Order: sequence, then structure tokens, then C-alpha cells
Amino acid sequence: GQQLNQSPQSMFIQEGEDVSMNCTSSSIFNTWLWYKQDPGEGPVLLIALYKAGELTSNGRLTAQFGITRKDSFLNISASIPSDVGIYFCAGRTASGTYKYIFGTGTRLKVLA
Amino acid sequence: SQTIHQWPATLVQPVGSPLSLECTVEGTSNPNLYWYRQAAGRGLQLLFYSVGIGQISSEVPQNLSASRPQDRQFILSSKKLLLSDSGFYLCASGHLEAFFGQGTRLTVV
Repeated sequence: GQQLNQSPQSMFIQEGEDVSMNCTSSSIFNTWLWYKQDPGEGPVLLIALYKAGELTSNGRLTAQFGITRKDSFLNISASIPSDVGIYFCAGRTASGTYKYIFGTGTRLKVLA
Repeated sequence: SQTIHQWPATLVQPVGSPLSLECTVEGTSNPNLYWYRQAAGRGLQLLFYSVGIGQISSEVPQNLSASRPQDRQFILSSKKLLLSDSGFYLCASGHLEAFFGQGTRLTVV
């Protein structure tokens, strides 16, 4: 099935550092979503973006909807141990079919 | 906000046995409903989605089927499970965003 390219695939960071990850697609999306998944659980929605160029924050998390509508970025500031998990981006196609296509995930590990 | 209920949480089934996973949604009406499968350490693969009762779109050819008998009920089924059907199955519901249930871990032995 179709998936978005998400990078990096995994990263180890020190507690307190900032984290950046991104998603790119060959298709245009009209909605970008960012999720966090803990082991054995369903993904939890962190941020939703609806307009090209939109910048939205949720606490220490900030995400942006790329101006080309083919990419999105998520930044986590001052990481803490509970930020550990897998982060997924998801795009909703502009074709009106209401499908959400998911990225391949970024596995984040925070070293205390 | 809406709540997505999935059961069971874990399931071990023999090869060739039937499957029925149920998903129900509370707190919304006429949602779009989705079934995803996630292999270990991998991303989410869209299997089916539905925009209304009785309306099912299949994304990938497979051994599974889906049905939506009621507005907020989505069922994933198989007549005969294969080893390759093992995985973590997630139901999602939403309009502009997608909200997920807690998932069912299926192991086919």
C-alpha cells in the first residue's frame, strides 16, 4: 500500500534536546496529522493541520503544513523521557476519498 | 470527543479458522471508519474504509473482508485465516481527523 516517506527512521537523543522529523509525499494532501504510538497501543493524535503553511503548537510540540502541500514537519522541544515512542505522520488525500495514508514512522528514544 | 472500542485486545487463532473483529464508535455520528494493519515495527497499512452503512472500499487484495452493518459498527472478518494475517489491527474513526482504538493483536498459529 501507499506510504509516506518519513525521516529519520529512528533517533537517540539526550533529555532536554530538541527533535525534528519530517514527512514527504509525491502526492498533494489537504490534511496532515501527527500521531504518537506507545508499544501495544493505538496511535494518539497530537496535532492536525488543515492549510498549506499552517504552523500549530501543542505544548512542546510544533508542526507545520508544508507550502507545497507535499510535506510536513514535527518539532519537539526540550525532550523528556516520556516522549519515547513512535511518531507517525498521516496525510488525507485531496481526491475526496477520505483515505489517511501513514508515514513509515520515526522511533524516538530519549536518554536521561 | 469520540471513543473507539475494539475487542478483543489479543487473539490467538489457528490457521484456517474464521475471524471476526468488532469495532464500535461512541460520541459521533456518520463517521468515516477505517481498518488498518500494522506489522511488528512497521507503519500502518490501510485495509478498508467506509463512508457509510454498507459502503466498503478495499485498499489491498487480501484474505480479509469488512462490513458496516450499523452507522457506528465496523467488522473485520476472514473465513479462513492465514499465517500472514498475523499483526496488530487498528480501527479508526473520524471526519477531518482519525481517532484510533486500542487495537487487537492477532497471532495466527
